[in-house]
Amino acid sequence: TQLLEQSPQFLSIQEGENLTVYCNSSSVFSSLQWYRQEPGEGPVLLVTVVTGGEVKKLKRLTFQFGDARKDSSLHITAAQPGDTGLYLCAGLPGSNYKLTFGKGTLLTVNP
Amino acid sequence: DADVTQTPRNRITKTGKRIMLECSQTKGHDRMYWYRQDPGLGLRLIYYSFDVKDINKGEISDGYSVSRQAQAKFSLSLESAIPNQTALYFCATSSDRGNTEAFFGQGTRLTVV
Repeated sequence: TQLLEQSPQFLSIQEGENLTVYCNSSSVFSSLQWYRQEPGEGPVLLVTVVTGGEVKKLKRLTFQFGDARKDSSLHITAAQPGDTGLYLCAGLPGSNYKLTFGKGTLLTVNP
Repeated sequence: DADVTQTPRNRITKTGKRIMLECSQTKGHDRMYWYRQDPGLGLRLIYYSFDVKDINKGEISDGYSVSRQAQAKFSLSLESAIPNQTALYFCATSSDRGNTEAFFGQGTRLTVV
């Protein structure tokens, strides 16, 4: 079983601050996805990274896939209250495997 | 209409009762999943199906069963509900080629009393 460890589990910050959340594993993944979940809703995909060392930017969000494809990070610049939610990483070991989710980081951005 | 539809959205049931949660999708995907979400525990996989004839157990399948009635339909049953099965349940679909994004339903909040 491929395990994904996310840290921190909880993060509460003030509007305007920067933050980084991490997703780590001892296993190699062919691709890794980040999802955001708002209360009462299902998770929604933010980004997929597939190449070791890849960096993708989505407005104020920057995603990085580790060189060895075992870990990833999500950095948010100048966080806003609308960024509040549960951030989940999910790894796919290969095309014939199931998607494995981490436990998530619950982010609260206070006005 | 939503790509992935779960019914019911909310359900309260008594211990020992059989209950079925239904999921249908319009994405045309072969792969479907059932997840359970508890506070602080993220998403845990109950069962998954890679096509109509394929059913696989996930990490927490005990006490649950599934049926893949068609490519678009995947139902989850609790044969005899117990209070610790109180949770938020999500159905999801994904393609088996190219973009592997998972599309989730809005969830079913189940309470077993």
